[in-house]
Amino acid sequence: DIQMTQSPSSVSASVGDRVTITCRASQGLSSWLAWYQQKPGKAPKLLIYAASTLQSGVPSRFSGSGSGTDFTLTITSLQPEDFATYYCQQANSFPLTFGGGTKVEIK
Amino acid sequence: QVQLVESGGGVVQPGRSLRLSCAASGFTFRSYAMHWVRQAPGKGLEWVAVISYDGSNKNYADSVKGRFTISRDNSKNTLYLQMNSLRSEDTAIYYCARDASSVGWHGEEGFDPWGQGTLVTVSS
Repeated sequence: DIQMTQSPSSVSASVGDRVTITCRASQGLSSWLAWYQQKPGKAPKLLIYAASTLQSGVPSRFSGSGSGTDFTLTITSLQPEDFATYYCQQANSFPLTFGGGTKVEIK
Repeated sequence: QVQLVESGGGVVQPGRSLRLSCAASGFTFRSYAMHWVRQAPGKGLEWVAVISYDGSNKNYADSVKGRFTISRDNSKNTLYLQMNSLRSEDTAIYYCARDASSVGWHGEEGFDPWGQGTLVTVSS
C-alpha cells in the first residue's frame, strides 16, 4: 500500500498569510494526487486534482504542485473561511489512501 | 443539482450487519464509478471501497475485505454498502462520493461530490 505523509499536522496562521502544506508518498504517483478541504461537521470538498488542476469554483488562492513523491498545497493570502483541515489523497493505485490531515488554525 | 444522500446508519452490536444506501440525483449515475470513504470520530479519512460505473469491478480496503460488499442499482440511482461482522473499529461516519472522472475509477480527478455522511456506531 502507498503511505501518504502530510506535514505539518497543524499550522497556526493569520488572515492574509501564505500557508504551505506538503504531502509525501511512499511510492511515485506521477501526478495522481488530490487535495481536499474539510470543515468541522461537513463532508470533504475537492480542491485540486491531478496534483495541480484547480477544481471548478475553487478560489485561485489555492494551488497545487509536485509530481512523483512530493507534493505541495499552497494557500496564498489565507481567508477566514480557509481555516479547516486539509487532506491529500493518492489516486495512483488501490487501495486509495489519504494523508493524515493538516489542520489550519487561527493564530 | 448534483446530490448524494446517505442513509442506513445507526447503532449496531459487534458481529451484526448493517446496509448503507446512497441515493444519487442530478447526474447520470450509471456513468460514474462510486466510492465509500469513512472517518472515525476525531480521525482522518479512510477509503473503504469502489465500484465501477456498471458494477462489474470492485475494490476494497484490506480492513474491510471479506466483510463489506459494495453494490449498485443503476435503475434506482442507488449505491449500497453491505457491512457484515461489524467491529468496534468500524465505528465512523460513512460518506459516499462520486468519482469525478467519467472514464476512470481510481479517483484520478478526485471525489466530487460527497454526501453528508451517515454515522455507524458499533457498540454492545
